[in-house]
Amino acid sequence: GAVVSQHPSRVICKSGTSVKIECRSLDFQATTMFWYRQFPKKSLMLMATSNEGSKATYEQGVEKDKFLINHASLTLSTLTVTSAHPEDSSFYICSAKSTGANTEAFFGQGTRLTVV
Amino acid sequence: GQQLNQSPQSMFIQEGEDVSMNCTSSSIFNTWLWYKQEPGEGPVLLIALYKAGELTSNGRLTAQFGITRKDSFLNISASIPSDVGIYFCAGRDRAGNNRKLIWGLGTSLAVNP
Repeated sequence: GAVVSQHPSRVICKSGTSVKIECRSLDFQATTMFWYRQFPKKSLMLMATSNEGSKATYEQGVEKDKFLINHASLTLSTLTVTSAHPEDSSFYICSAKSTGANTEAFFGQGTRLTVV
Repeated sequence: GQQLNQSPQSMFIQEGEDVSMNCTSSSIFNTWLWYKQEPGEGPVLLIALYKAGELTSNGRLTAQFGITRKDSFLNISASIPSDVGIYFCAGRDRAGNNRKLIWGLGTSLAVNP
């Protein structure tokens, strides 16, 4: 299947700093990328949907100024957690898909963010 | 947000046993997907279903799109230790596969060798 690479896999940062997470589609053009957050032993919670070249669409309750999403190319989307706080600690996962009927998104391996 | 009812929440089985899990929704779905997630990893798509009544296999895994379009099941036959993980159902309640997925809460599977 297609490969989606997410980097870094783990990051620890201090409160008040910003952290950038990258999501790359390695062998296909990702017209749409999704960013999820997952709490321990919980399901995936969609944060935002981004289409290449457009502003991201955020889910209700997700602060767009805190979770900045950029999808500037067909192979790269980034999520920046700004002014991180301990409650932002979580597992963040991206997925990417190309256009076409019955094509599903492929997931990255996730990023474990710990804010201390 | 909306979530799917997935059951059971967890299963502890012996190696070699068959496993069955299901998801139900209160509304009609156009797509049902089944994923497996291992610790510290992103979900991996196992089976995708797009038509009511569709029955699809992937090795020892079989999934069906319920005829009412409000449910789906996943069966795993002859389980092995590497089947351990969390299985999620997900689906779309409207046409268009750029629409967001609605997720179940997961079924945690443990296999005793």
